[in-house]
Amino acid sequence: DTAVSQTPKYLVTQMGNDKSIKCEQNLGHDTMYWYKQDSKKFLKIMFSYNNKELIINETVPNRFSPKSPDKAHLNLHINSLELGDSAVYFCASSRSSGGNSPLHFGNGTRLTVT
Amino acid sequence: AQTVTQSQPEMSVQEAETVTLSCTYDTSENNYYLFWYKQPPSRQMILVIRQEAYKQQNATENRFSVNFQKAAKSFSLKISDSQLGDTAMYFCAFPGGGGADGLTFGKGTHLIIQP
Repeated sequence: DTAVSQTPKYLVTQMGNDKSIKCEQNLGHDTMYWYKQDSKKFLKIMFSYNNKELIINETVPNRFSPKSPDKAHLNLHINSLELGDSAVYFCASSRSSGGNSPLHFGNGTRLTVT
Repeated sequence: AQTVTQSQPEMSVQEAETVTLSCTYDTSENNYYLFWYKQPPSRQMILVIRQEAYKQQNATENRFSVNFQKAAKSFSLKISDSQLGDTAMYFCAFPGGGGADGLTFGKGTHLIIQP
């Protein structure tokens, strides 16, 4: 069984559209995250979510919003997509917050905005 | 602010050689964990090894080991008997920073193992 799964694997869409990426973890972890990896492979945290507490990286545009229907899911919604949103988006989870538990990553979603 | 620096954008070695990837970080914390992740061409992020800062003994996982120098804030990864499957991006990671919970990653080192 896949520990952290995200769908879709690839997403191609036009500027201005709204899209969602789904993420589910079956590890029983308390904390989930979204990371963005740009074309230079730089990984940047976007959000962390733990016990209904959302921590947002202040550099993330408010067009991005995470939604957590339950502890095992953290979906990413993106409104009014822009060319610069093209990247690989990774979902991850960890047993606890604070950064001292290792992250378990999904396989990433490559988003291409045309 | 927490920062993580990987000064080697790319390295290339022959199969079976030993290679060391460097990582330095900046923190005012006293107790923390440090991590190395591997990202092969498949894009998957794989945990390679982790080190607890208050443990003096360097962590090892099979062919992978770290050289942790707490005073120097240095956390290098040594890969012994390198194999073709070790070809990947390697990221050093440290808790905190970036304005959100989780890990802050260095910019990565692209390691190429030549046959």
